[in-house]
Amino acid sequence: EAQVTQNPRYLITVTGKKLTVTCSQNMNHEYMSWYRQDPGLGLRQIYYSMNVEVTDKGDVPEGYKVSRKEKRNFPLILESPSPNQTSLYFCASSLLSSLGANTEAFFGQGTRLTVV
Amino acid sequence: QKEVEQDPGPLSVPEGAIVSLNCTYSNSAFQYFMWYRQYSRKGPELLMYTYSSGNKEDGRFTAQVDKSSKYISLFIRDSQPSDSATYLCAMSGAKGGSEKLVFGKGTKLTVNP
Repeated sequence: EAQVTQNPRYLITVTGKKLTVTCSQNMNHEYMSWYRQDPGLGLRQIYYSMNVEVTDKGDVPEGYKVSRKEKRNFPLILESPSPNQTSLYFCASSLLSSLGANTEAFFGQGTRLTVV
Repeated sequence: QKEVEQDPGPLSVPEGAIVSLNCTYSNSAFQYFMWYRQYSRKGPELLMYTYSSGNKEDGRFTAQVDKSSKYISLFIRDSQPSDSATYLCAMSGAKGGSEKLVFGKGTKLTVNP
């Protein structure tokens, strides 16, 4: 079954304590991305990766890091979480069209992060 | 002007109604148009995918794209309570500046039995 798996699903942490949210896909997609979803603001892209060892900033990258050492995995790292990073996070992997456009995205089930 | 505009609703309809959901956009480079459905506390799931202009039908769902007006629609016929969710439009263009998926903020739909 094609899927994107995120862990953990729920996380409560304290300000400044480093954390990692893992993401893995089994569809051999080249393109992966992280989004955060906040009420009234919709989905906003944090970081994306076009392929192994190729990552770039999305719309709201401040306070986040990513790495792409293997094609299937794309972890999101918060080195020093702050309360304004409390949000619902989604990992996604996508097919690229023949024109290089990001098309059908498959999303994970989400990670609800609370930073106190 | 925002790149993609979508009325957030909420939209409440009786079971069996025809639902129309819409998005407008400003970037003429967009060529790929998608609709995602997101149930509460779940990740978005792809519902419909259309390339360029025209209509696409899948069961009770029809997606329409009018590139000349920069307007896309999703119609749901014979709506069911199980259709209650937030619907997100998304679009992208060719590599070279517009390849990233751009999402609308979503319209929350409730279908009442």
